[in-house]
Amino acid sequence: AQSVSQHNHHVILSEAASLELGCNYSYGGTVNLFWYVQYPGQHLQLLLKYFSGDPLVKGIKGFEAEFIKSKFSFNLRKPSVQWSDTAEYFCAVSPSGGSYIPTFGRGTSLIVHP
Amino acid sequence: GAGVSQSPSNKVTEKGKDVELRCDPISGHTALYWYRQSLGQGLEFLIYFQGNSAPDKSGLPSDRFSAERTGGSVSTLTIQRTQQEDSAVYLCASSQSRGRGSPLHFGNGTRLTVT
Repeated sequence: AQSVSQHNHHVILSEAASLELGCNYSYGGTVNLFWYVQYPGQHLQLLLKYFSGDPLVKGIKGFEAEFIKSKFSFNLRKPSVQWSDTAEYFCAVSPSGGSYIPTFGRGTSLIVHP
Repeated sequence: GAGVSQSPSNKVTEKGKDVELRCDPISGHTALYWYRQSLGQGLEFLIYFQGNSAPDKSGLPSDRFSAERTGGSVSTLTIQRTQQEDSAVYLCASSQSRGRGSPLHFGNGTRLTVT
């Protein structure tokens, strides 16, 4: 079974600071990788995903993530955060075959001060 | 279009009572998932339905938990003889298919409080 680790549980930044949230997974096979975001009072929604091709993927609102297979990592980045990026961020992994059931990390709470 | 709808949004129940949580997925989505989120924890997988296949129940924490999906659409998660540790936000999600990184579309969840 796969597992996902998000090392930063709480991150506090000022506007315009750069962001990098770590995500590591353990699984022996090919995977699909996701970042989901939950803004205050809203439901979880997809931020970006990777399933093949260019390991650097771009998502909504200026976010990007890089899949480094050798490190089993899929870190989320944004060069300059905004107050509106305050949210909970979840990394998820699903096997490319079999059940495809995504496994989620514990989430990272990001607070951006104006 | 309409997203995933869950009801009720909040449920307070006494320990030992049964509860039913409902999920109405996006029309045409063949895959349906139930997760729960406890305070400070990630999303814990509970059960997965894919089309007419037998559900994957591997995440259900005990036999007090069950779920069904009628007509390939609406799903109900039932918790019998609720315990305080069942308090959590129960999330339902649907997706178009299970392959090729098909993303999940989540509902707003049902916050269950067992007193």
